[in-house]
Amino acid sequence: AQTVTQSQPEMSVQEAETVTLSCTYDTSESDYYLFWYKQPPSRQMILVIRQEAYKQQNATENRFSVNFQKAAKSFSLKISDSQLGDAAMYFCAYRSAQGNNDMRFGAGTRLTVKP
Amino acid sequence: DSGVTQTPKHLITATGQRVTLRCSPRSGDLSVYWYQQSLDQGLQFLIQYYNGEERAKGNILERFSAQQFPDLHSELNLSSLELGDSALYFCASSVATTNYGYTFGSGTRLTVV
Repeated sequence: AQTVTQSQPEMSVQEAETVTLSCTYDTSESDYYLFWYKQPPSRQMILVIRQEAYKQQNATENRFSVNFQKAAKSFSLKISDSQLGDAAMYFCAYRSAQGNNDMRFGAGTRLTVKP
Repeated sequence: DSGVTQTPKHLITATGQRVTLRCSPRSGDLSVYWYQQSLDQGLQFLIQYYNGEERAKGNILERFSAQQFPDLHSELNLSSLELGDSALYFCASSVATTNYGYTFGSGTRLTVV
C-alpha cells in the first residue's frame, strides 16, 4: 500500500521569507500523481499544486513550487514570499494513476507565518 | 463554493445514536469519496463510490455504511456512535480518471456527546 510521510509536524516562517515543507512517499508504481493541499482554519481543503510523475519538470503555481525527486520518492513544497494568509495545515497526497483510486494523505504540517 | 455540497455543516448527537451525512458531488463528477479527519490529524480514507457502485474501502468501521444514489448524491451512515467518532467528515468528488485531484466539500463537523 502506498504511504505518505510528512516528517515536520510544525514549521514556521517569517513573513516574506521562503519555507520548504517536506514529503516522502512509498510506492512500487511508476505512474501516479502527487498533490499539496492547504487547510486553513476554515477547514476547507484547497488544492495548492499538483505534479504528474511522468513529468520531469517541477510544477509551479505563482509563489508555490515543488521539488519532485522521483527516484528518491520525495515531493517537497516551497512557498516563496510567505504571506500571513499562507498560515494553515498543509497535506501532501498521493494518487495512483491506475484506474479510479482514492487519494492517500500524509499527517500534515502546520505552518505558522510570523509578521 | 467548491461545487461539492455537504449537509449538515454541524451535528451534535449522543452516544449510541445514528446519523446520516449527505454529499452532492460537483456537476459532472461520477466519483464520491468519504474521508474522516479527527482533531489535528490527517485525512483517513473511508470509502469510494463511482456511478452508484462501491469501488474501494479504506478504514471504515462496520458501524459505518454509505451509498451513492442514481442522482449521484451520496450518504454516509454512522450508527452506534461513540465518543471517538467525533470528527470532521469530508466528502470529495472527481471525474472518473483525472490528474486534477479531488474537489472537497466544506465538511460535516460531528460531535458525539
